[in-house]
Amino acid sequence: SQKIEQNSEALNIQEGKTATLTCNYTNYSPAYLQWYRQDPGRGPVFLLLIRENEKEKRKERLKVTFDTTLKQSLFHITASQPADSATYLCALEGTGRRALTFGSGTRLQVQP
Amino acid sequence: EAGVAQSPRYKIIEKRQSVAFWCNPISGHATLYWYQQILGQGPKLLIQFQNNGVVDDSQLPKDRFSAERLKGVDSTLKIQPAKLEDSAVYLCASSLDPVDALLTGAFFGQGTRLTVV
Repeated sequence: SQKIEQNSEALNIQEGKTATLTCNYTNYSPAYLQWYRQDPGRGPVFLLLIRENEKEKRKERLKVTFDTTLKQSLFHITASQPADSATYLCALEGTGRRALTFGSGTRLQVQP
Repeated sequence: EAGVAQSPRYKIIEKRQSVAFWCNPISGHATLYWYQQILGQGPKLLIQFQNNGVVDDSQLPKDRFSAERLKGVDSTLKIQPAKLEDSAVYLCASSLDPVDALLTGAFFGQGTRLTVV
């Protein structure tokens, strides 16, 4: 069955450094992959979409890569700030164009 | 633009009791989703509506969960009877249509945190 894996351990980095989060998936070939941010007590907020034919996508300090051969997406936040501290979720379209399936998320903590 | 509204924000019930959650999506959004998010996990789809019709309820535990969207706008999710393992945050999300959700993301409400004791 479709499986999405994100590092369950929290990622702690210093302010100003680049944070890199990983999303791996198996048993599926999604046409779209999304990244969301979730703050405590809030619902996820959409950040970026990348399509299967796109290798890389950028938005301000965010960069997403999508390697369909490795079945992996990397999410980068450059010049990280304490305000970037949150849980980041990757999501793939479900099998047969069904609703989004989410990974378990990785918590990022940016230390000042 | 008003976001997705959910109520209540918090609910504590005893096991075997019933509970209902309400969601009002963004105006004009035809697609509505209910997700369950257990602590430390990602959201898991329970049911997807397109207007007032069910598109996907394959992961809804139908022996105890039910949902409706009678007029194709707001929606109610019910659990009866509740079990301890139902303790989670119940998130409602909406999008213009399913394709739009894939292209521009779904919009989520703040969720209802349910604790079953």
